[in-house]
Formats: sequence, C-alpha cells, structure tokens
Amino acid sequence: QSALTQPASVSGSPGQSITISCTGTSSDVGGYNYVSWYQQHPGKAPKLMIYDVTNRPSGVSNRFSGSKSGNTASLTISGLQTEDEADYYCSSYTTSSTYWVFGGGTKLTVL
Amino acid sequence: QVQLVQSGAEVKKPGASVKVSCKASGYTLSNYYMHWVRQAPGQGLEWMGMINPSGGATDYAQKFQDRVTMIRDTSTSTVYMELSSLRSEDTAVYFCARGFDRNSPFDYWGQGTQVTVSS
Repeated sequence: QSALTQPASVSGSPGQSITISCTGTSSDVGGYNYVSWYQQHPGKAPKLMIYDVTNRPSGVSNRFSGSKSGNTASLTISGLQTEDEADYYCSSYTTSSTYWVFGGGTKLTVL
Repeated sequence: QVQLVQSGAEVKKPGASVKVSCKASGYTLSNYYMHWVRQAPGQGLEWMGMINPSGGATDYAQKFQDRVTMIRDTSTSTVYMELSSLRSEDTAVYFCARGFDRNSPFDYWGQGTQVTVSS
C-alpha cells in the first residue's frame, strides 16, 4: 500500500484536459511544498514533470501544471496528446523516517 | 550533458547480496544527492534511500535500514547500492536518481538495473 493515494487510471480524448489527484497527510503533501510529479513510459525511467507543487522543469510542456490544496496535490494535463499516455506518479518529502514517499501511480489512457 | 549510467542486469539466489553501480557524468558528483528508487514488476515506485556524496552521509528508508548500504567513490564519480539478504520480493528494477538537496526533486534518472532473485 502506497503512502500517497492516486486513482489507478484516468482517460481522456485528444485535446481534452484531465486531472490526477494525489492525497497524503499533513506529514507529507500537506506539510511541505515538495510535491513532484513524474511521467513514466513503459520500460523507461521516470521523467520529472512538475516539482515543488507548481514548477515545470525546462523543456516540459506548459500543458502540464500542478497545484495543491490541503493534503491533496493535483496534476492537470491540458490539450491531451497521444504521447501523454503513460503512468504518472506523485511524490512528496515527508517527516517520517522514509523521507520520500510515492503514490501508487495513475495510468493515463488517451483514447 | 548530465548522465547516470547504471550497471547491467543481475540474477541472484535468495540470501545473496547484489551491488548496483551508478556512474555520473556531466556534473560534479559531490554537489548533488543520489537517491535509489526501485520498482517491482507491474508495481509503483519505492524510495529506498539517499547518499550525500559530499561527505558520504546516508539516510535509508526504515524498511531497508538493516539490508541496504549506499557508498560513493568520488574518484570515479560512481555511487553504489548494495542490498543484502535478498528474497524473491526484491525482484525489481532499481534506479538511481539525482537531487540537488535532500528535499529536492529527482531531476535525472539512471536507465534502471533489473535485479532478479530466484532459486
């Protein structure tokens, strides 16, 4: 059982927008602005898409955005494209002895 | 450009140990933390621990505290992760990933190393 809770799957059509939630506690998501989102295509290493809740690394499309409210962080992808189809993981720094926790991952299907 | 290149796949018997390497290039190893994250087949990501290559200090997830060791060799810009007392549940892809500080995101990842534990 993962420390952060994500929906197992979401889907959308090209051009649409989707949002993936990531729910934690006041010890992780709610307590720090150190929430990151990673995209992982099959057989590949994860890729950083959003860091510190809302920031995009250089080279990541502005169709990806992040936000947080209380203990829940969210990743929104607008203008869905077929190449966005992948697994998405949230991650947060935590006060626990684990230091970093991940969500269970969300499989995005672009129909 | 920044690259993290990991060692090749390993097959180990239960009870054995495995040592995975992660060679960094394109930046100064001692300026960034290195994390280890694993992914069991069909499962999510799991953080194992981190090392500050500057001084070698480590922090491990409680789950792995008794079985994992992370070390660095600044002369070769390489970080190593050794996991002992292997069991079948340790079968996974192991990734190294860089972070500027202990609470910084993982901005570059290695390609992953498959470790299979089987009798």
